[in-house]
Amino acid sequence: QQPVQSPQAVILREGEDAVINCSSSKALYSVHWYRQKHGEAPVFLMILLKGGEQKGHDKISASFNEKKQQSSLYLTASQLSYSGTYFCGTEISARQLTFGSGTQLTVLP
Amino acid sequence: EAQVTQNPRYLITVTGKKLTVTCSQNMNHEYMSWYRQDPGLGLRQIYYSMNVEVTDKGDVPEGYKVSRKEKRNFPLILESPSPNQTSLYFCASSFGYTQYFGPGTRLTVL
Repeated sequence: QQPVQSPQAVILREGEDAVINCSSSKALYSVHWYRQKHGEAPVFLMILLKGGEQKGHDKISASFNEKKQQSSLYLTASQLSYSGTYFCGTEISARQLTFGSGTQLTVLP
Repeated sequence: EAQVTQNPRYLITVTGKKLTVTCSQNMNHEYMSWYRQDPGLGLRQIYYSMNVEVTDKGDVPEGYKVSRKEKRNFPLILESPSPNQTSLYFCASSFGYTQYFGPGTRLTVL
């Protein structure tokens, strides 16, 4: 079953923060986050494994709440280059990824 | 250069005409996968392969076939394409958790 992402779209000004949420109705083994720019292939950002760890990548970080089967992606001090569509992918069984429908992020100057 | 390649990049065909989309990776990855991407639905996994001769169904396998005879290649076969298979297709490979996606194949079935 496809995870639910929210919001579907968000518009920010450069320097503002954003949070993208991903929730699943099933017990998760891991959560993956990808970013896709228009006309390009998705690019891996990070993975969070069962255990509730938080990870960071420059000014982008994420958390995984294992009890709630939810993950959140945090974008701090957004840059123009952060624009794109963000997908979470959930892994219930080994290596079978199910992606959410995406969150379109637009960063304006 | 480490990469995943797909061919063709664009294809327009007619209903029922068998076609194959090739996927090749030069990173010696064991895991490969096929996805289709449709507006509002995100990426949906069609098939994946954990290694040579090992393939398994993803979320939307109906109407597709795959084979994995060599580690580097993972072709996607549509034996009798239908208009509802019009989509953007991505192949991906991975070692560990990071998936590397190919550039995509835009398929139109008339």
